[in-house]
Amino acid sequence: EAEVAQSPRYKITEKSQAVAFWCDPISGHATLYWYRQILGQGPELLVQFQDESVVDDSQLPKDRFSAERLKGVDSTLKIQPAELGDSAMYLCASRPLAYSYNEQFFGPGTRLTVL
Amino acid sequence: AQSVTQLGSHVSVSEGALVLLRCNYSSSVPPYLFWYVQYPNQGLQLLLKYTSAATLVKGINGFEAEFKKSETSFHLTKPSAHMSDAAEYFCAVRGTQGGSEKLVFGKGTKLTVNP
Repeated sequence: EAEVAQSPRYKITEKSQAVAFWCDPISGHATLYWYRQILGQGPELLVQFQDESVVDDSQLPKDRFSAERLKGVDSTLKIQPAELGDSAMYLCASRPLAYSYNEQFFGPGTRLTVL
Repeated sequence: AQSVTQLGSHVSVSEGALVLLRCNYSSSVPPYLFWYVQYPNQGLQLLLKYTSAATLVKGINGFEAEFKKSETSFHLTKPSAHMSDAAEYFCAVRGTQGGSEKLVFGKGTKLTVNP
């Protein structure tokens, strides 16, 4: 069964360092999402891609976060510099078509701890 | 704007007892509603979805939910809890922003199943 892949699964870094997360969506899924989930809360959307284009990045802290999906397949989310408040689970999800009723498929996430 | 409210951040039931997790939504457009489950340090898995067809929706693992427009509710139920149901459950609604679509999640309800 096809799955969304994410790496690394866990990342520990020090404040002010740079970190990067990778996501490979299910093959053929045009829409890709990055979410941030703070402990004890629901996921919040950071950025949405349709193929290689950013559709929504209104909640992405652009002074330190960046995201790209250069070939419209896999994607990278970067934080530079990391801050203590960035400690969270970063989830990637994908969706096959731009239809509302198609649910999103989530990867296992990357747990980031900033010391 | 669309939003969901999950009543009760923690619910505890005995094995074999009824599970009831509450979700109320707010949406300016006909809602598409979802329930996801998350096990520790894992991504989200879809349990079921409502997309304006039948108001009683059956999902995986014996869960079901009923859409009640008059009450703006989409509560999740399971007749008999199993130990393996212990997890965190998230209700979500389709959200629209700037022409793009996303999922807006509630804060989650952690379900504990006691032997």
